[in-house]
Amino acid sequence: QVQLQQWGAGLLKPSETLSLTCAVSGGSFSGYYWTWVRQPPGKGLEWIGEITYDGSPNYNPSLTSRVTISVDTSKNQFSLNVTSVTAADTALYFCARGLGITSSGQLDNWGQGTLVTVSS
Amino acid sequence: EIVLTQSPDTLSLFPGERATLSCRASRSVTSYLAWYQQRPGQPPRLLMYEASKRATGVPARFSGSGSGTDFTLTISSLEPEDFAVYYCQQRYKWLTFGGGTTVQIK
Repeated sequence: QVQLQQWGAGLLKPSETLSLTCAVSGGSFSGYYWTWVRQPPGKGLEWIGEITYDGSPNYNPSLTSRVTISVDTSKNQFSLNVTSVTAADTALYFCARGLGITSSGQLDNWGQGTLVTVSS
Repeated sequence: EIVLTQSPDTLSLFPGERATLSCRASRSVTSYLAWYQQRPGQPPRLLMYEASKRATGVPARFSGSGSGTDFTLTISSLEPEDFAVYYCQQRYKWLTFGGGTTVQIK
């Protein structure tokens, strides 16, 4: 059974950089699109972006100027950086395994979520 | 960008009743639509993909239909654990979600 374990700082000040990492175990790392999704408190889901196992990223056009997703295949891990955070970036952040351009692009395994709060 | 519009925002039903949730896309996604269930404090759970295919372990009371721009998720008889928020999702160029439908106990 695939497991995604995520971690990172939960409290940031405005203008700081958000950094989260997700480790994948129990399944193949190749062939999937490793994805980040966020959910502001009480609101819906927003796709942040994804990266293929060989390192090709795709980002939400609304966030692309501040977001970097990277992958470390030697550790079966992938990471999210969001620069210059504001209160609008306060959300529950999820990592997930995606099917990318195949099928419906569905996200079939998810991490437990990390609450990131941006406050001065 | 393809926008997904879900309706209704909230559905109030009794256990045992049938739930019908709608998702409309701003342009055709053929059959490439997925549905998720999210319970409070948990990550979303994949229910359906390619509009009508159940994900592993999803009970048969969940079914999906539709193609093009109009899709439906049906729960034939609501169990207590089905009261949750449901999201549809598509992927054309990039991935987007609908705004969600809350299924609550009446």
